[in-house]
Amino acid sequence: GNSVTQMEGPVTLSEEAFLTINCTYTATGYPSLFWYVQYPGEGLQLLLKATKADDKGSNKGFEATYRKETTSFHLEKGSVQVSDSAVYFCALSDQAEGGSEKLVFGKGTKLTVNP
Amino acid sequence: SQTIHQWPATLVQPVGSPLSLECTVEGTSNPNLYWYRQAAGRGLQLLFYSVGIGQISSEVPQNLSASRPQDRQFILSSKKLLLSDSGFYLCAWAPGLADSTDTQYFGPGTRLTVL
Repeated sequence: GNSVTQMEGPVTLSEEAFLTINCTYTATGYPSLFWYVQYPGEGLQLLLKATKADDKGSNKGFEATYRKETTSFHLEKGSVQVSDSAVYFCALSDQAEGGSEKLVFGKGTKLTVNP
Repeated sequence: SQTIHQWPATLVQPVGSPLSLECTVEGTSNPNLYWYRQAAGRGLQLLFYSVGIGQISSEVPQNLSASRPQDRQFILSSKKLLLSDSGFYLCAWAPGLADSTDTQYFGPGTRLTVL
């Protein structure tokens, strides 16, 4: 079945450092790809998505490009802030029974940004 | 705009006691609804999803059950809780087939501790 592998954390950076969180996937067909963010004690928020090869999703300074040739969707940000401290989840869409979609998540990467 | 609510926010229950967690969605009709569990230090595991009233699909066999008595209400239950049921439970919704999209939107979550 479809699966997502993302880099193990935790990741600790200083403010204004460059961030990369790696995510690779295994899938049949052409799933949509997502990054969700979870701030402490909260639910997940959609950060960005891409629906087809070479699409770039972007939001709040974060970017990720759907790379079909390397089956990757790495998350990047040029200059992180303390407020970016959270857990980041990579996910892909998968077909569920009855024609609905479901999401398959990676295990999450915890990011801590120090001032 | 659409909103999703979960309650209670936190719950501490003894082993063997029953469970009922509720999720409601506002501002949309006929959504797909999902229950996930996030155990400590682990990723998200899809437990149940529903494409309509009374229609429940289970992803993982366990002592939990789900019901959808109304279009925008999704309930997670157990007759007898186990220690292993502790975790952070997240409800999510996505537009139904008529407005199909694979993006899911998450509620704030319920933290369950079984003692």
